[in-house]
Amino acid sequence: GAVVSQHPSWVICKSGTSVKIECRSLDFQATTMFWYRQFPKQSLMLMATSNEGSKATYEQGVEKDKFLINHASLTLSTLTVTSAHPEDSSFYICSALGVTDTQYFGPGTRLTVL
Amino acid sequence: GQQVMQIPQYQHVQEGEDFTTYCNSSTTLSNIQWYKQRPGGHPVFLIQLVKSGEVKKQKRLTFQFGEAKKNSSLHITATQTTDVGTYFCLINTGTASKLTFGTGTRLQVTL
Repeated sequence: GAVVSQHPSWVICKSGTSVKIECRSLDFQATTMFWYRQFPKQSLMLMATSNEGSKATYEQGVEKDKFLINHASLTLSTLTVTSAHPEDSSFYICSALGVTDTQYFGPGTRLTVL
Repeated sequence: GQQVMQIPQYQHVQEGEDFTTYCNSSTTLSNIQWYKQRPGGHPVFLIQLVKSGEVKKQKRLTFQFGEAKKNSSLHITATQTTDVGTYFCLINTGTASKLTFGTGTRLQVTL
């Protein structure tokens, strides 16, 4: 149990375009989901906390107009990278919060912006 | 923001040797979790520690929470090549919005 999927697993896009990443909890409901960014050989940096039915809470330094988060249902959160630029290229990982504060992570999405 | 240091940053051991990574926080923690991320993979939950001085074991892995609830350690006895990966601690200072990953310790195991 406690499986989280992400789609797509990788995406290449042109500079200036927008990319949407989906995070789904497949066998449980998640009121809270998290979006992280990870650069090679570095730790996970929390970008925002996604709460079902309300606005996301963004970490300091993360532009909310650039990284749009929507958590419209208890099993789906989406992250849209708007007007992507090469510096946005990274590994984006979501997690869903389960019972006892355990986070269940999706497989990640590798974004490359040309 | 909160800095969560893990030491060492990297360790290379021969199979059969022991390995320990330490996670240190500047503030008292509500709980601490440990995750393992294999190369190219995503973090996988290992364990959660809540009580001061708590020690938990999972086969060859031993997890310890400090008495002051500011640090934790993960010890692997007799490492195997399947232990390769990066081990992260995730600290919780009391609210869901205060979750912070440690800097990680990358473990390499060779025969």
